[in-house]
Amino acid sequence: RKEVEQDPGPFNVPEGATVAFNCTYSNSASQSFFWYRQDCRKEPKLLMSVYSSGNEDGRFTAQLNRASQYISLLIRDSKLSDSATYLCVVNWGRDDKIIFGKGTRLHILP
Amino acid sequence: GAGVSQSPRYKVAKRGQDVALRCDPISGHVSLFWYQQALGQGPEFLTYFQNEAQLDKSGLPSDRFFAERPEGSVSTLKIQRTQQEDSAVYLCASSWIGGVGQPQHFGDGTRLSIL
Repeated sequence: RKEVEQDPGPFNVPEGATVAFNCTYSNSASQSFFWYRQDCRKEPKLLMSVYSSGNEDGRFTAQLNRASQYISLLIRDSKLSDSATYLCVVNWGRDDKIIFGKGTRLHILP
Repeated sequence: GAGVSQSPRYKVAKRGQDVALRCDPISGHVSLFWYQQALGQGPEFLTYFQNEAQLDKSGLPSDRFFAERPEGSVSTLKIQRTQQEDSAVYLCASSWIGGVGQPQHFGDGTRLSIL
């Protein structure tokens, strides 16, 4: 099993729709989880951290399922500006080292 | 500065040349990371510093890659005898303090092309 695995997509979604991605991780000792967004030819930028109880930031909701070792990202009322690659990020064990997934590409269609 | 600064923004080198990539982290950030990102892939971990100490260099692909952070601030990633497979974007990130749960802030990256 790969360390951090994501569906590469692309997800082609009409504007206004709801879209969800999952990401699985193999290290049960992982303790922190993030979603990053990366636009074409730009650096990754933190979208949101993922907390055990789940958390929401505007149209974005993140969930963590430790038992099944996956995290999810839900985007409601999608906007054209949401088009990007979404990177799942998991810390590796008990230190700062983090592992990135390969990313899920999202295209919001007008 | 306001964010992580990397230079040069673009670097073209001939195969066999040595290159040096610079990262200036956010002031006060203790942890500094280097990543390599190939086209269409997520960033791959290379190495990690906490202050001047290199705590993990397990991701460096070969002994041609060397990183340092002598004063616990600016870091340099050096690649000796470059090969075409070294062509990638090299990203630097920093975080405020070591420990689980700290998000990393990325620089714009250096796009390295080896001819």
